[in-house]
Amino acid sequence: QKEVEQNSGPLSVPEGAIASLNCTYSDRGSQSFFWYRQYSGKSPELIMFIYSNGDKEDGRFTAQLNKASQYVSLLIRDSQPSDSATYLCAVIRSGTYKYIFGTGTRLKVLA
Amino acid sequence: SQTIHQWPATLVQPVGSPLSLECTVEGTSNPNLYWYRQAAGRGLQLLFYSVGIGQISSEVPQNLSASRPQDRQFILSSKKLLLSDSGFYLCAWSVAAGGVGELFFGEGSRLTVL
Repeated sequence: QKEVEQNSGPLSVPEGAIASLNCTYSDRGSQSFFWYRQYSGKSPELIMFIYSNGDKEDGRFTAQLNKASQYVSLLIRDSQPSDSATYLCAVIRSGTYKYIFGTGTRLKVLA
Repeated sequence: SQTIHQWPATLVQPVGSPLSLECTVEGTSNPNLYWYRQAAGRGLQLLFYSVGIGQISSEVPQNLSASRPQDRQFILSSKKLLLSDSGFYLCAWSVAAGGVGELFFGEGSRLTVL
């Protein structure tokens, strides 16, 4: 079992729709979770982090964390073509300083 | 504000040649430093991380090595490159305290081994 799992996609959504990206993790002791966006050929950039169960909103982005189910998600409202990118989920392995990444979900927003 | 610089941005090297990638962080002290590799179409693989000068942890045994000669400098090296070393190398930093801070990436170094 991979430590951080994501569906590779591509996930295609029409412009203006809600995109839902999902991530599961295996380390039940993990406390810190991150979402990054990576455009082709570029380095990842941080979108959001979440530490507590529930929802955290930042503009058009909402991160959701359910530690009991070991599940993190990212919702993008009013999706724009500029949101088309690969979205990476990352988890800090418990008891360490190691950030472990999933393989990413490729999102396509269709104009 | 904090910034991270990584160089060179692109390099093409023959098999068996040496490698040196450098990374420096400005605007913070005692950061945790990381090297990741991303093969084409793949996720980020943690190669090395460091919590202080001279303290290097290796995640994947291979022909690469890392050094941290100064607090905010992190170097990735190889004595002899393999074809499988091709990829996008990313340096990153985070705040040391607690290990729960955000991770920030440099712009990356794209290595092609021929």
